[in-house]
Amino acid sequence: SQKIEQNSEALNIQEGKTATLTCNYTNYSPAYLQWYRQDPGRGPVFLLLIRENEKEKRKERLKVTFDTTLKQSLFHITASQPADSATYLCALETLGNEKLTFGTGTRLTIIP
Amino acid sequence: DAGITQSPRHKVTETGTPVTLRCHQTENHRYMYWYRQDPGHGLRLIHYSYGVKDTDKGEVSDGYSVSRSKTEDFLLTLESATSSQTSVYFCAISGPTSGRVNEQFFGPGTRLTVL
Repeated sequence: SQKIEQNSEALNIQEGKTATLTCNYTNYSPAYLQWYRQDPGRGPVFLLLIRENEKEKRKERLKVTFDTTLKQSLFHITASQPADSATYLCALETLGNEKLTFGTGTRLTIIP
Repeated sequence: DAGITQSPRHKVTETGTPVTLRCHQTENHRYMYWYRQDPGHGLRLIHYSYGVKDTDKGEVSDGYSVSRSKTEDFLLTLESATSSQTSVYFCAISGPTSGRVNEQFFGPGTRLTVL
């Protein structure tokens, strides 16, 4: 069966370090992979999209990699700040499917 | 923020009563989605719409129905609410490009409690 797993439910990182979140999937052939941020009591907010033929995508302090052989995406936040504390969700889209399937999320806490 | 609102924001109801949640957008986006979010399950798609009067089922559609009579409104109805439908419901919009899903913009959510 299809499954999306995000490495851990919760992750604590010291301020200033790089936070790395993992999204693994099985029995999917995603054409695109997206990352979202969700703060408590709010809806998710889109951060980055990466296509299957792209290895890496960057946006300011954020970096996403996509390895279709390993069936894995890594999401990095460099020079992490307490304001980066949130839940981060990965989501897969298969070509022509018109919809996303979300992982359960990783709750990231940046410790001052 | 994308122009997307949900109403009501909070609702408490009793088992067996009908409930309708409304999602309204001002972005003229083609796609609209209803999700529920529960601890341990993440966001799960209930139903989605790819145009006026065009809808399709998602992963957890049993017990839910939807309607879209105008581009800007997408209604989610629980015909007879059950306690298992206690959840936070999010509406999302996407588009207008056809052929693939763009990034989705989410509403603020509706917290529904079924007693």
